[in-house]
Amino acid sequence: EIVLTQSPGTLSLSPGERATLSCRASQSVSSKYLAWYQQKPGQAPRLLIYGASSRATGIPDRFSGSGSGTDFTLTISRLEPEDFAVYYCQQYDSSPYTFGQGTKLEIK
Amino acid sequence: QLQLQESGPGLLKPSETLSLTCTVSGGSISSTTYYWGWIRQPPGKGLEWIGTVYYSGTAYYNPSLKSRVTISVDTSKNQFSLKMTSVTAADTAVYYCARRGGPYGSGGNWFDPWGQGTLVTVSS
Repeated sequence: EIVLTQSPGTLSLSPGERATLSCRASQSVSSKYLAWYQQKPGQAPRLLIYGASSRATGIPDRFSGSGSGTDFTLTISRLEPEDFAVYYCQQYDSSPYTFGQGTKLEIK
Repeated sequence: QLQLQESGPGLLKPSETLSLTCTVSGGSISSTTYYWGWIRQPPGKGLEWIGTVYYSGTAYYNPSLKSRVTISVDTSKNQFSLKMTSVTAADTAVYYCARRGGPYGSGGNWFDPWGQGTLVTVSS
C-alpha cells in the first residue's frame, strides 16, 4: 500500500500570500497518478487537480499542481478568503487508492 | 449537471449490515464511460477508498474491506449501492458516493463529483 504523507499538518497564511503544500509518497507514483482535493467544514471534498498537474473543470488558475515520482506539490499562487480549508492528496497508481492525512490551511 | 445523493440508515448496532444507496441525477449510470465509487471519512479523520463499480456490475474493492463489502448497480433506478457486513464502531464515518473521474479503459481513479455524504454511526 502506498502511504502518502502531507506536510505541513497546518499552514497559517494571510490572504494574498502564496501557499505551498507537499505530498510525499512511500513509493513512486507512476504516470503521475496523483490528485488533490479541497474540503471545507461540513462539505464533501472537491477535486482540484488530477494527473498531478491538470486542473479540474471550473478550478481557478491560481491552483497548480506539480511533481513526479514520490514528491508532489499543490501551489495556490495568491490566497483568496475562500481557499482556507483542508487539502488532501490521493494516489490512484495502485490499489488500494490512498489519501494523505490532509493539510489544514488556516488564516493567520 | 451531474449530482449524486446518498441515502440509508444513520444508526446501526454492532454486527449489523450497513446498506447505502447513491442516486444519480443529471446523467446516466449506464454510461459506458464512467465508473462509480464509495469513499468514507471517520469523524475528524482522513479519507478511505472503499470500492468502485462499473454499470455492468464489475467491481473492485479496497483489500482491507473486501471480505465485508459488496457494491452493486441498479440501472433501472439510476442507483448504485454499498453493503458492508458485520459493522463495528470503527465503521462509523461519513460515507460518500462519487463518480470516478477517468473514463473506461483509463487508470483515472480520482473522484469527481461527490455526493454530500451521509453519516453512519455504529453504536450499541
